[in-house]
Amino acid sequence: EVQLQESGPGLVKPSQSLSLTCSVTGYSITSNYWGWIRKFPGNKMEWMGYMSYSGSTSYNPSLKSRISITRDTSKNQFFLQLNSVTTEDTATYYCASIVGTDYFDYWGQGVMVTVSS
Amino acid sequence: DTVLTQSPALAVSPGERVSISCRASEGVNSYMHWYQQKPGQQPKLLIYKASNLASGVPARFSGSGSGTDFTLTIDPVEADDTATYFCQQSWNDPWTFGGGTKLELK
Repeated sequence: EVQLQESGPGLVKPSQSLSLTCSVTGYSITSNYWGWIRKFPGNKMEWMGYMSYSGSTSYNPSLKSRISITRDTSKNQFFLQLNSVTTEDTATYYCASIVGTDYFDYWGQGVMVTVSS
Repeated sequence: DTVLTQSPALAVSPGERVSISCRASEGVNSYMHWYQQKPGQQPKLLIYKASNLASGVPARFSGSGSGTDFTLTIDPVEADDTATYFCQQSWNDPWTFGGGTKLELK
């Protein structure tokens, strides 16, 4: 079974970069699609972007100038970098596997990130 | 962006049937998916492409709809179904989520 686990700092200062890692077991990230989603306080959820099995990416236009998704196939990990964060980026961040380019079938447990000075 | 509108909350008694709606601001074909999220847990896929039951999900859950109006039905509701239910569309870019419907049991 596919398992995903997010890791990274829980506190980031405004204007800095947020960097998270998603470690995948049970499936190769060179197959399938892999994405990041965040859930804000108050329940709103936002799809941030995804990376394909070939390494191509697609991002939510609302984040396009600040987001980057990369990977390390040797470690079966993919990464999220979000630049120039503000307090509005405070959220729980999830990584997930994606079927086709449609829906999220397996999710990590999530990591809460607070942006605060 | 495609806005998905859900009722904020519903309360039902165990054994009853409940329908949770999701209305899209523009057509999404059948590319609507449903998730269940319990407090402190990650979302879990229930229904994909409007009406397909995800692996391991009880047959008490079903989905219907196409275009702009979609429904997740739970019949009968059990105590363990207390959760927030989200819809998500993947027809229009960017993918978007509904605001979630919190299901409470009486």
